[in-house]
Amino acid sequence: AQSVAQPEDQVNVAEGNPLTVKCTYSVSGNPYLFWYVQYPNRGLQFLLKYITGDNLVKGSYGFEAEFNKSQTSFHLKKPSALVSDSALYFCAVMGDTDKLIFGTGTRLQVFP
Amino acid sequence: KAGVTQTPRYLIKTRGQQVTLSCSPISGHRSVSWYQQTPGQGLQFLFEYFSETQRNKGNFPGRFSGRQFSNSRSEMNVSTLELGDSALYLCASSYVLASSYEQYFGPGTRLTVT
Repeated sequence: AQSVAQPEDQVNVAEGNPLTVKCTYSVSGNPYLFWYVQYPNRGLQFLLKYITGDNLVKGSYGFEAEFNKSQTSFHLKKPSALVSDSALYFCAVMGDTDKLIFGTGTRLQVFP
Repeated sequence: KAGVTQTPRYLIKTRGQQVTLSCSPISGHRSVSWYQQTPGQGLQFLFEYFSETQRNKGNFPGRFSGRQFSNSRSEMNVSTLELGDSALYLCASSYVLASSYEQYFGPGTRLTVT
């Protein structure tokens, strides 16, 4: 069965510092991995995806994620956090069931 | 290009009633997926429609149903509402069947069942 784990309910970081939001997955077959962000009272916005190719994927708003097959991880990163990055972040995986399975979400709080 | 639109944005219903939610995908997108978001269960996949056919289904009871029209617009229906159906219902569209293609989400319909 497919599953996604986001082990941290909340991540706190100071503005200007690097941030990491963790995600691990379990899936049959080759995974398609996604990161989405949700701002208050809004739907989800696509940030980036890994399908194949380079393990480091660059996405919107300066975010990037690294696919690590041996550790089955797909952590989201940004070199320098902004207060406006504060939001709820979801990791998602699609395997051979063609269903997009989301993690429980990680709330990112960036402090000025 | 206009984004995914969902109507209504907010809805209050009484237990036992039924409700229909509507989703208009991005122009040219043929796949529409529905998700339920609750604080306790997170985001859960309901079903996906492509070319008016249900292509995939999550683990929800038969009270949850949907359909897609020839213009790709989709509706979701929940019959015999229960208190636990209170949630944010999100619709997402993609160009083809949601696989390696990213999905674009609407703002959601907030359903409250009393």
